[in-house]
Amino acid sequence: EVQLLESGGGLVQPGGSLRLSCAASGFTFSSYAMSWVRQAPGKGLEWVSTISGSGGSTYYADSVKGRFTISRDNSKNTLYLQMNSLRAEDTAVYYCAKYLGSCSGGSCPRWFDPWGQGTLVTVSS
Amino acid sequence: DIQMTQSPSSVSASVGDRVTITCRASQGISNWLAWYQQKPGKAPKLLIYAASSLQSGVPSRFSGSGSGTDFTLTISSLQPEDFATYYCQQANSFPLTFGGGTKVEIK
Repeated sequence: EVQLLESGGGLVQPGGSLRLSCAASGFTFSSYAMSWVRQAPGKGLEWVSTISGSGGSTYYADSVKGRFTISRDNSKNTLYLQMNSLRAEDTAVYYCAKYLGSCSGGSCPRWFDPWGQGTLVTVSS
Repeated sequence: DIQMTQSPSSVSASVGDRVTITCRASQGISNWLAWYQQKPGKAPKLLIYAASSLQSGVPSRFSGSGSGTDFTLTISSLQPEDFATYYCQQANSFPLTFGGGTKVEIK
């Protein structure tokens, strides 16, 4: 069974930093791109970042570009999100999610399945 | 960026009703569209991908259609466990974007 377990959320002051982790199991981690998606309290879903299976390609939403860094350690089956210069508007539940399938011939199935249970990040003084 | 517009934002329906949710993309995305279901306090769950492909384990009362800019999610006979919020997502290009959500409520 595929499982994703996020950790690292918590309360941080504006301007502070936090690193989220997502431990993966039940599949060949290095074969799949992984993503972070967030949801502010009472709001909709917002894609944050994606990293390829090898880690060689990364993509970011404009709202976090230059402040957040996605990375992965395929030897530890773990995905990370380093969040710096945090703002109040970054307050959200952060989910890690796996691409439904592996990329092939330059085509990637950018659908998310499954998702982790989420970890809450609160940015407040 | 591709904007995704869902309608309605909420719908009240009864068990057994047919419910239709629409999603419109600001530019053509072929069939690069997914639908998710989210219940309160839970992570989203993939229902439909590639506009009309049913994810494994999802009941057949869920179906998706459309291509280009206009897409539809249909629940043929609403069940008690279907009361939730539904989101569409375009997977055509980065940044990946979601619709604003449709809350299906009990009438």
